[in-house]
Amino acid sequence: EDQVTQSPEALRLQEGESSSLNCSYTVSGLRGLFWYRQDPGKGPEFLFTLYSAGEEKEKERLKATLTKKESFLHITAPKPEDSATYLCAVADSGAGSYQLTFGKGTKLSVIP
Amino acid sequence: DTEVTQTPKHLVMGMTNKKSLKCEQHMGHRAMYWYKQKAKKPPELMFVYSYEKLSINESVPSRFSPECPNSSLLNLHLHALQPEDSALYLCASSQVPSGSEGELFFGEGSRLTVL
Repeated sequence: EDQVTQSPEALRLQEGESSSLNCSYTVSGLRGLFWYRQDPGKGPEFLFTLYSAGEEKEKERLKATLTKKESFLHITAPKPEDSATYLCAVADSGAGSYQLTFGKGTKLSVIP
Repeated sequence: DTEVTQTPKHLVMGMTNKKSLKCEQHMGHRAMYWYKQKAKKPPELMFVYSYEKLSINESVPSRFSPECPNSSLLNLHLHALQPEDSALYLCASSQVPSGSEGELFFGEGSRLTVL
């Protein structure tokens, strides 16, 4: 059974204080790993897709990296508007098409 | 146009009511999804339509009935719901599987409360 574990559950940062969120996964074969951002009461917003170990993607203050067992979302010099829940999801080549396994998310709060 | 539009944003219904949630996208995506999300939990897949045909039904109770009238529209018909069905219902769309099916475009959701 696929497992996706995100840590920490919650993270409070001062504005400008860089940090990383972790997503560890267990799949039979990774078809893709996906990061989303979700604001309260809204639908998730797609951020990144990673396919293979060593791959990196960047967008503004966010950088996602992938190893064979985990992915990190690095946040550089965060701002209060980066406050949100960040979700990680995986697509397993052993599972059916369209089926993603989501982690429970990391709630990030950036304090001015 | 990169939006998925869901209506209504909020819905309150009794256990004997019949109501529908609606979703529309104009990105040319041929896969459309319904997810259910409870507070502080990740989204749970309910249904997937691919090329307007139901591809996945994740053992969802029959009081939830999906419909895909055309490639841009997705409905979720609700009947005889239970209070535990109260949740945020999310519609999403994507390209059909080619490795990018995890790149979902979500609507803002319909917040459902069942009394």
